[in-house]
Amino acid sequence: EPEVTQTPSHQVTQMGQEVILRCVPISNHLYFYWYRQILGQKVEFLVSFYNNEISEKSEIFDDQFSVERPDGSNFTLKIRSTKLEDSAMYFCASSDPLAGTTYEQYFGPGTRLTVT
Amino acid sequence: ILNVEQSPQSLHVQEGDSTNFTCSFPSSNFYALHWYRWETAKSPEALFVMTLNGDEKKKGRISATLNTKEGYSYLYIKGSQPEDSATYLCAFGGFKTIFGAGTRLFVKA
Repeated sequence: EPEVTQTPSHQVTQMGQEVILRCVPISNHLYFYWYRQILGQKVEFLVSFYNNEISEKSEIFDDQFSVERPDGSNFTLKIRSTKLEDSAMYFCASSDPLAGTTYEQYFGPGTRLTVT
Repeated sequence: ILNVEQSPQSLHVQEGDSTNFTCSFPSSNFYALHWYRWETAKSPEALFVMTLNGDEKKKGRISATLNTKEGYSYLYIKGSQPEDSATYLCAFGGFKTIFGAGTRLFVKA
């Protein structure tokens, strides 16, 4: 069964460094999403992406963050100048707008980001 | 600020018990209501996406209902099994989803 994959599974970085989290969505899906969950808190929406453009973004998704689909398979989240409070589990998801359930999202296993 | 509330926060039941959880969400600007099942160390798994008022969905022993006018959805599990132990998340929205905090279900054999 097709699945969303994410790499790395765990990333440790120093405060102020840039990180790139990678996702490979399900191949025929056209909508892509990033979420994060800080330990003990709710899952938070960051951004959705469609047709090479940001579709929606949350207040969290400020200039520190950017997303890109550099090729036909990868979807990346870049966090510039990481802060301690960026430590969280980051989930990628994808959905197929042509399917019967347009909004049904499939989640990847997540990348745990630890900023020290 | 949009907010999605889930209750109860956690629930302990015996194997064979039936149970239900509640998700409350804003009743305006409705696109969709999602239910996810999230086991520890795994990724959230979509159970249902509901888009129409009055929607009822069923998957095996799990079912869900939706009332968009009053802003609530119920998730039901009939005859709980230990493997149903997980966190059940609801989320409101289409391409921008707001999650609740989840209901943690523990099913004891």
